[in-house]
Amino acid sequence: QTVVTQEPSFSVSPGGTVTLTCGLSSGSVSIGHYPSWYQQMPGQAPRTLMYNTNTRSSGVPDRFSGSILGNKAALTITGAQADDESEYYCMMYMGSGIWVFGGGAKLTVL
Amino acid sequence: QVQLVESGGGVVQPGRSLRLSCAASGFTLSTHVMHWVRQAPGKGLEWVAVIWYDGTNTYYVDYVKGRFTISRDKFKNTLYLQMNSLRAEDTAVYFCARRGPWWDFDLWGQGTLVTVSS
Repeated sequence: QTVVTQEPSFSVSPGGTVTLTCGLSSGSVSIGHYPSWYQQMPGQAPRTLMYNTNTRSSGVPDRFSGSILGNKAALTITGAQADDESEYYCMMYMGSGIWVFGGGAKLTVL
Repeated sequence: QVQLVESGGGVVQPGRSLRLSCAASGFTLSTHVMHWVRQAPGKGLEWVAVIWYDGTNTYYVDYVKGRFTISRDKFKNTLYLQMNSLRAEDTAVYFCARRGPWWDFDLWGQGTLVTVSS
């Protein structure tokens, strides 16, 4: 089974820009995987940030953007804020009724 | 208010069964694709199962196939996850989630904790 890969940790300075990426153990990410991104604060349910590669979910600030960069999906935070410090998960639709999450990436804002 | 509320979690011995429920309010559950997602303590999210709009199609992650069954009751507007032959590695918070506009999730429950331990 294909594994969805994420770098486990990132750090960014307040006001800075950071890009989280999401790849596949085999092959390239495409729009046909409908990549989506979720933010999860400790002890809380996930919150949907981005879907269909680059569509922000309702209420998500425009400092979050999604894209395909090379062979990976990407979530970019421009002008990071302290409350962006969280765990971020990408998810891919693999077809045939199967979805797969990445392992998560912890973002530290310092 | 549009929301999902899970229940049914608890402590169960290995090999036993448990049924989780996810009550929907503010929308009709049977008109949506619905999922179960779990998160083991200190670990990441793992997609578990999905049930299609009409309930005829269901899909599962490999390690729960044959043990877990996703279903729903349209009259009770409730989603279920029947979990049999539970193992220690099934210990997790289980979230139900509604499919969003594309192949994503747009609504999550708060989760219910299942602990499999003797």
